[in-house]
Amino acid sequence: LAKTTQPVSMDSYEGQEVNITCSHNNIATNDYITWYQQFPSQGPRFIIQGYKTKVTNEVASLFIPADRKSSTLSLPRVSLSDTAVYYCLVAAGNKLTFGGGTRVLVKP
Amino acid sequence: KAGVTQTPRYLIKTRGQQVTLSCSPISGHRSVSWYQQTPGQGLQFLFEYFSETQRNKGNFPGRFSGRQFSNSRSEMNVSTLELGDSALYLCASSLGDRARSGNTIYFGEGSWLTVV
Repeated sequence: LAKTTQPVSMDSYEGQEVNITCSHNNIATNDYITWYQQFPSQGPRFIIQGYKTKVTNEVASLFIPADRKSSTLSLPRVSLSDTAVYYCLVAAGNKLTFGGGTRVLVKP
Repeated sequence: KAGVTQTPRYLIKTRGQQVTLSCSPISGHRSVSWYQQTPGQGLQFLFEYFSETQRNKGNFPGRFSGRQFSNSRSEMNVSTLELGDSALYLCASSLGDRARSGNTIYFGEGSWLTVV
């Protein structure tokens, strides 16, 4: 059973890169990790998903090291509108486990 | 393409009552899952349906139940409401059988339930 942990919060400034790490254990080689962004009073919004090495899309990158004990969401050049809570989701076997969420505050 | 639609968005119920929440998945998606989100417990998995069959269930009491219809729409019901059931209830859908095998889960905006 995957237990996932994330930092509770982190601050950043506009234009900087933000990296959020999700630590998880006991996940198989084909278990997927997904990251979501959530604004107040809204549902989580899909950001990126992967299961190995590196995945990149137009808004973020996801890095998964070979030991698969963690994954890192990278948000390049954040803006004020990226202030939100970010969740990792680990799909391990029949279990879906969310991290506790990381509250990211982007300052001007 | 419309996203996951949940109704109602907000509702207030009295302790002891029951409530039914509805969810329409993204067109073509056959898997629907439900989650409870509270400030103290975070996001917790309730149950998942695929092709009208419950595939998995989280650690919630039997007062929480759900079902899926042939058109993939889903409902969840909470009976004998307690104050602690106040939460944001999120529905999500995916094309195939859940997040395994890379089926991305897409969430709706949620239904805010307040129990007084």
